[in-house]
Amino acid sequence: AQKVTQAQTEISVVEKEDVTLDCVYETRDTTYYLFWYKQPPSGELVFLIRRNSFDEQNEISGRYSWNFQKSTSSFNFTITASQVVDSAVYFCALSEAPGSGNTGKLIFGQGTTLQVKP
Amino acid sequence: GAVVSQHPSWVICKSGTSVKIECRSLDFQATTMFWYRQFPKQSLMLMATSNEGSKATYEQGVEKDKFLINHASLTLSTLTVTSAHPEDSSFYICSAPGQGRGKAFFGQGTRLTVV
Repeated sequence: AQKVTQAQTEISVVEKEDVTLDCVYETRDTTYYLFWYKQPPSGELVFLIRRNSFDEQNEISGRYSWNFQKSTSSFNFTITASQVVDSAVYFCALSEAPGSGNTGKLIFGQGTTLQVKP
Repeated sequence: GAVVSQHPSWVICKSGTSVKIECRSLDFQATTMFWYRQFPKQSLMLMATSNEGSKATYEQGVEKDKFLINHASLTLSTLTVTSAHPEDSSFYICSAPGQGRGKAFFGQGTRLTVV
């Protein structure tokens, strides 16, 4: 069975602090995709990153960075120098193996609510 | 980039009535679309997979007679909540896989309130 666990329900930081959101996943597939989405109060899902299970390189995009460790089945997300606008719910998600006919079907973690205080 | 448009963005209806939510892929064809439901402060849970030209596939515990899904064309899937009750109040969001493996495009979501 596939499962995504985000153990941190809520995190509160002060602006300019760095913060890491944890994500641990379970899957029997050898090929899969991992995602991070941001959900502001409006509800819309904002795509942040997609990572192929074959690619374990860490990625940095501005103040965002992602650490993918296949050995520990983790895909953690770090925001450097957090800002008030980063306040939102963040979801980690897993998709089934490509080619299975289910591409686009996502299994979401429980979400982490990040509050960045000024 | 590919866009999925969902309508309406919010709706309030009386208990016992039915509500239809539309999900359109605007610049690409989607033979498959997914419908998710999100209760307040909870995660998104897949309700069903909508298949163009065939029956939808429902996840365990989702009532197919209550949540009617129709995927009549390659760009439109609809979810109808029949005989809605207050416990159906939730955020419903659709997605469609885009070209290229692993891509998923989400609609804006529909906030349903049943009073």
